[in-house]
Amino acid sequence: DAGVIQSPRHEVTEMGQEVTLRCKPISGHDYLFWYRQTMMRGLELLIYFNNNVPIDDSGMPEDRFSAKMPNASFSTLKIQPSEPRDSAVYFCASSRQGHSGANVLTFGAGSRLTVL
Amino acid sequence: GQSLEQPSEVTAVEGAIVQINCTYQTSGFYGLSWYQQHDGGAPTFLSYNALDGLEETGRFSSFLSRSDSYGYLLLQELQMKDSASYFCAFASGGGADGLTFGKGTHLIIQP
Repeated sequence: DAGVIQSPRHEVTEMGQEVTLRCKPISGHDYLFWYRQTMMRGLELLIYFNNNVPIDDSGMPEDRFSAKMPNASFSTLKIQPSEPRDSAVYFCASSRQGHSGANVLTFGAGSRLTVL
Repeated sequence: GQSLEQPSEVTAVEGAIVQINCTYQTSGFYGLSWYQQHDGGAPTFLSYNALDGLEETGRFSSFLSRSDSYGYLLLQELQMKDSASYFCAFASGGGADGLTFGKGTHLIIQP
């Protein structure tokens, strides 16, 4: 398996522009998570899906952020309009219900976003 | 509220043993996980404790005390490649929810 695949790996954009981050989870994983990592706030859960359905989006910071999962193999995180404070590494992770009860997340390599 | 506390930085010597502590606060608790992240990399799963006690996986062990809301990660026979950040995390909603992560402990290993 190729693991969780994210694109783009790096994105530099100007304030006000739309940003779309993409994620392909591991085949067979029921859960997909979007995290944001910054030095100040650490790893923050933004939203997660179960079987393509959004379950908890309470971590999405503002209405400028939206996420979709149109099918089991693809998800997007969109920021419109982007602001400098959105600069961070955005990770996508997927998992399946652990038989031991553990929720083992497999993370993608991340998308490093810089908003100028 | 929900929170995890861990030291921001720990320094140890190659070949030694180091313990990274984690205390947590949450209304619901289903186990404590540990993840490792190298600079510029993605977090990777290390271990999980659902019950009190010690779980051992090679050079790494993890401990949990639910009554004390406390756990630790123990790394033995430290190698330079163990230099990384280590995060404790919990799922507070049935194990299938997204994990809440601590701020991470940066482990520095000196030769």
